[in-house]
Amino acid sequence: SQQGEEDPQALSIQEGENATMNCSYKTSINNLQWYRQNSGRGLVHLILIRSNEREKHSGRLRVTLDTSKKSSSLLITASRAADTASYFCATDTLFLGGANNLFFGTGTRLTVIP
Amino acid sequence: DTAVSQTPKYLVTQMGNDKSIKCEQNLGHDTMYWYKQDSKKFLKIMFSYNNKELIINETVPNRFSPKSPDKAHLNLHINSLELGDSAVYFCASRNAGGRHEQFFGPGTRLTVL
Repeated sequence: SQQGEEDPQALSIQEGENATMNCSYKTSINNLQWYRQNSGRGLVHLILIRSNEREKHSGRLRVTLDTSKKSSSLLITASRAADTASYFCATDTLFLGGANNLFFGTGTRLTVIP
Repeated sequence: DTAVSQTPKYLVTQMGNDKSIKCEQNLGHDTMYWYKQDSKKFLKIMFSYNNKELIINETVPNRFSPKSPDKAHLNLHINSLELGDSAVYFCASRNAGGRHEQFFGPGTRLTVL
């Protein structure tokens, strides 16, 4: 299976603390993406990191990628109650025809306590 | 204003029935996808369509068939529904020539009784 795995499965922190989620995958990738899913909603793209990049920032998000270990981490700094959601990593591999296929990790359920 | 929309939002039906879920995107994207999310939140790709051609067909039962009348629509038809088909189904779209992010619809919760 090309599916990735994330840990922890669930994370509960106090508002203002930082949250770190990890993702491991199995195949070669073009890029790795992180998505957020609020309860009962669709997924929303957060950030993308290319296979030749090691770190990327976007607002309170910081993503790292280690292709030698096939792993990535998502750091959310100064968490807010509104950050409560499930977070998924997704690896992007290129298939014939150009229809990049996303393989999702198992997700981390983040709860930020006000 | 909705970028990717799905109908219906909820679908409750009996085993053995045939049902369809519709998906439309107004983003001008040329690639669309269907995903299945099970009760453990495990999200798996089912199909992708690029320029009205099926590019990837993962190992899903042939009871599932995607139909794309045009570039903006990718509908999912399911025949002879089974209990194990109960899940949330998400449609997504992407511009193959542009950014790699996918835009997801709100999901359709299918319950098979």
